[in-house]
This record gives sequence, C-alpha cells and structure tokens, in this order.
Amino acid sequence: AQSVSQHNHHVILSEAASLELGCNYSYGGTVNLFWYVQYPGQHLQLLLKYFSGDPLVKGIKGFEAEFIKSKFSFNLRKPSVQWSDTAEYFCAVMRLGGYQKVTFGTGTKLQVIP
Amino acid sequence: GAGVSQTPSNKVTEKGKYVELRCDPISGHTALYWYRQSLGQGPEFLIYFQGTGAADDSGLPNDRFFAVRPEGSVSTLKIQRTERGDSAVYLCASSSQGQPKVFGPGTRLTVL
Repeated sequence: AQSVSQHNHHVILSEAASLELGCNYSYGGTVNLFWYVQYPGQHLQLLLKYFSGDPLVKGIKGFEAEFIKSKFSFNLRKPSVQWSDTAEYFCAVMRLGGYQKVTFGTGTKLQVIP
Repeated sequence: GAGVSQTPSNKVTEKGKYVELRCDPISGHTALYWYRQSLGQGPEFLIYFQGTGAADDSGLPNDRFFAVRPEGSVSTLKIQRTERGDSAVYLCASSSQGQPKVFGPGTRLTVL
C-alpha cells in the first residue's frame, strides 16, 4: 500500500523567510502528486499538482514543488512566505493504473509570524 | 452549484445511533469521493463513485459504513450503530475526468 510521509508537523517562520516542506511517498510505480492547503476555517484547496513532464511545478501564490523520482520526494517550496500563508499543508499521492484513491500525508501546520 | 456542499455542517449524535451525511457535488462532476479526517491526521480515503456505482469502497472501515449515489449526483454516507471512534470530519470531493478533486467544507461528526 502507498503511504505519504510529511516530516514536519509544525513549522513556524517569520515573514519573508524561505519555506521548504518535505514530502516522501512509498509507492514505486507511476504516481500523480499533489499539495493541498487548508487555510483556517476554509476547505481543502489544491495548491499544485504533478502529473508528468517538467518535475518542477509551479502553483498558486508563488508556491512550487519539485518531483525527484529517485528520492520518492515532492517537496514544497516558497522563497518568501507571507502571514497569509499560515495554513495546514497536505501532500498527497495517487497511483496510476485505474486507481482513484488519493493517499494524504498527516499534514504540516505552517505558522507565519508578522 | 459553484462548489461542493455538505450537510449538515455539524452533527452530534449518541453512541449507537444512525446518521446520514449528505454531499452535493459540483454539477456535471461524474466522480465523487468520501474521505474522513480525524484530529491531527490527513484525510483518509473511504469510497469513490464513478457515476452511480462505487468503483472503490476499499476504504470503508467496516460494514457499519455504507454510501450511495443513486442518481449519479448527490451522495449519502450512512453510518449505523455509531461509535465514539467515528468522530471525525467527513469530507466529500468531486471531480470531472482528469481534473483534480474539489473538496467540500466537510461535516463534523461528534459521537458522544
């Protein structure tokens, strides 16, 4: 069974600091990868996705993630965080081959201090 | 509608009772998913519908849980003989072919 590991459970940063959230998955086959964000009091929203092609994907609000197949990783980055980035971030993976089940990591709570 | 809606937003019930949770997907989305999110955890897959049929129900924890989507639109998640461990936020998501899922706001279920 596939699994997703997010190494940081709670991250606190000052505004303008750079962000990198780690994500590793366990499945060895072809996958689709996602980062979702949940702002306080809001729904889960898609931040960015990787299906194929360029392993560096750019999402909304200046976020990007890099798929490194050899490391089974899909880390999320942002060069300069803002207070409005305070949220919980979930990495997720979906196996290809007719499966629609998306497996989520346990989430990372990001708190940005003004 | 503009987004996925779920009702009720909050449900408090007593142990042993039966509950139904409703999901209204985005109009035209053929795929519908139910997830459960316990405190401090990421969403956990329960069941996936493609049209009216359950294409994958491998995430349902036991036979107390059942979901239907009789007309390929609205779905109801049914939980019999609720237990305290069923307390969680139940999330519904829908998608069209090849597109990422759009999540609803969830129903927070509390079993006393």
